[in-house]
Amino acid sequence: DTGVSQDPRHKITKRGQNVTFRCDPISEHNRLYWYRQTLGQGPEFLTYFQNEAQLEKSRLLSDRFSAERPKGSFSTLEIQRTEQGDSAMYLCASSLGLEGNTDTQYFGPGTRLTVL
Amino acid sequence: AQSVTQLGSHVSVSEGALVLLRCNYSSSVPPYLFWYVQYPNQGLQLLLKYTSAATLVKGINGFEAEFKKSETSFHLTKPSAHMSDAAEYFCAVSDLSNTGKLIFGQGTTLQVKP
Repeated sequence: DTGVSQDPRHKITKRGQNVTFRCDPISEHNRLYWYRQTLGQGPEFLTYFQNEAQLEKSRLLSDRFSAERPKGSFSTLEIQRTEQGDSAMYLCASSLGLEGNTDTQYFGPGTRLTVL
Repeated sequence: AQSVTQLGSHVSVSEGALVLLRCNYSSSVPPYLFWYVQYPNQGLQLLLKYTSAATLVKGINGFEAEFKKSETSFHLTKPSAHMSDAAEYFCAVSDLSNTGKLIFGQGTTLQVKP
């Protein structure tokens, strides 16, 4: 069990550029989540996958955001035309999906995005 | 809608003193509650979770939390603080849908003084 990994760990970009983040969940974990955490706040839910199906998206996820999980393995989160307000830590988590709402989510170290 | 409120964004204790981090929840149904810890430059790690089996929940690193329905609280405690406990702590409640998504509080930074 190597844990949840995320790449890159840090990303600095200029406003208007597109960025893509990758998350590799723990193998055999069916559920995958993306959260966003801004300074001094707790993580906020962005989107959720059950295997390869994206089953829920937060209203926080504007049209500029898109997430995929091809083949139910790794996931990518893309932000198009970045804005300064997108600067945050983007966290990925995965869980087995066998215990419903009591499942333990395992978090990756996050990708810190800075938009200049 | 589910929500959690953490009272006190910063808590400072001396090494060896009691740690008490407060969390109150709002839920229309019996909630599932979690405490996570975040060390600098690391992901969140689960300390413990309440799943309605027992009101006193024991977690890792000597932490425990007690679910009190009458007070809508799930406070985190540790009898004796250690320097390595310095971190940010998040209380969370599981959403009512079956997605398992978590709704987090704003977090409490624990400082441990020597």
